[in-house]
Amino acid sequence: GDSVTQMEGPVTLSEEAFLTINCTYTATGYPSLFWYVQYPGEGLQLLLKATKADDKGSNKGFEATYRKETTSFHLEKGSVQVSDSAVYFCALSDPLGTGTASKLTFGTGTRLQVTL
Amino acid sequence: NAGVMQNPRHLVRRRGQEARLRCSPMKGHSHVYWYRQLPEEGLKFMVYLQKENIIDESGMPKERFSAEFPKEGPSILRIQQVVRGDSAAYFCASSPSEEAFFGQGTRLTVV
Repeated sequence: GDSVTQMEGPVTLSEEAFLTINCTYTATGYPSLFWYVQYPGEGLQLLLKATKADDKGSNKGFEATYRKETTSFHLEKGSVQVSDSAVYFCALSDPLGTGTASKLTFGTGTRLQVTL
Repeated sequence: NAGVMQNPRHLVRRRGQEARLRCSPMKGHSHVYWYRQLPEEGLKFMVYLQKENIIDESGMPKERFSAEFPKEGPSILRIQQVVRGDSAAYFCASSPSEEAFFGQGTRLTVV
């Protein structure tokens, strides 16, 4: 079945450091790929997405490129801020889903802690 | 436009009791999804509903769990005779088409 593997946390960085959170997937077909972020005490929010190979999703300085050849969707940001501290989830949509892309398979999440 | 509303945020039940979790989707959204997050795990799909219909319940345990999304009112996830292993965060998401909008979740603790 479909699966998503992301690097374990917590990841602790100083402000302005470069961030990479690795994500690889296994799926039949051609899924869409997503990064969600969960800030403390809140629900998950869509951070960015990519729907086909070589697409780059970007938002709020974060970006990720859909790499079909390596089945990866690594999240990067050039300079993190304290306000980026959150849990980040990589996810893929069910490529055989009926109607919408919202039946998602999630990774276990990576907690990011950014310090001054 | 209010976001996806889940209540209660925290729910404590004794073993054997029933738990009812509510989810009000965003206005205009007719698709509702329930996910469960066990400790130290990612979110796992449970069930997908449209108004008055269960579309996909492939992730729902066969016993004790049920879900509904009536014509009027919120979607309900019902867990009968709860056990300690049901302790988890339960998230609801609603969607008009492709993008899913998540609620803040209900954290169920079974004691």
